[in-house]
Amino acid sequence: GAGVSQSPSNKVTEKGKDVELRCDPISGHTALYWYRQSLGQGLEFLIYFQGNSAPDKSGLPSDRFSAERTGGSVSTLTIQRTQQEDSAVYLCASSEQGFNSPLHFGNGTRLTVT
Amino acid sequence: GESVGLHLPTLSVQEGDNSIINCAYSNSASDYFIWYKQESGKGPQFIIDIRSNMDKRQGQRVTVLLNKTVKHLSLQIAATQPGDSAVYFCAENTGGFKTIFGAGTRLFVKA
Repeated sequence: GAGVSQSPSNKVTEKGKDVELRCDPISGHTALYWYRQSLGQGLEFLIYFQGNSAPDKSGLPSDRFSAERTGGSVSTLTIQRTQQEDSAVYLCASSEQGFNSPLHFGNGTRLTVT
Repeated sequence: GESVGLHLPTLSVQEGDNSIINCAYSNSASDYFIWYKQESGKGPQFIIDIRSNMDKRQGQRVTVLLNKTVKHLSLQIAATQPGDSAVYFCAENTGGFKTIFGAGTRLFVKA
């Protein structure tokens, strides 16, 4: 079946511009996650959504980062006034229930801020 | 595609040998552990998981061992193949819904 889909796969933007990254999770998965992966680094947790509960935003690095999940499905991660240090691969994952179930990742959006 | 983990610990093994990748986790309250494989340009892919009430779990060519006393997790790959070359991450669920990833290990398989 269809896996997690992310778009765009690559995004180049100028410093100071806003960007939106999209994630389509696996149908029926209640939990959705965003992670960031910088070159030479592991996965940094950003935010997760679980059903209708308030999202856990504890990993967002600054108030320039925000995310929403509409209708319990598609999610958008927005980065305002992008900085060069925001350059990374942004990975989205979904899971059936969030706890005690593995994450299914998309192939990420590679963001380059020039 | 994107190369990930250029500065990660590296394990180099000969094709056909067994590989052991180790991971130390941080939270003694974690009760669910997962291994992921990440190939260049792709997202991490689930390999095998284990719950804290188990010490060992086997899959196809892979075995995960959990030692809760020293908070250590290992992934064993039998008869390693060139297609196993990737970065491997351990991850722990620290209660609730947050999954925290380790730093990763790059596995090179020499033909």
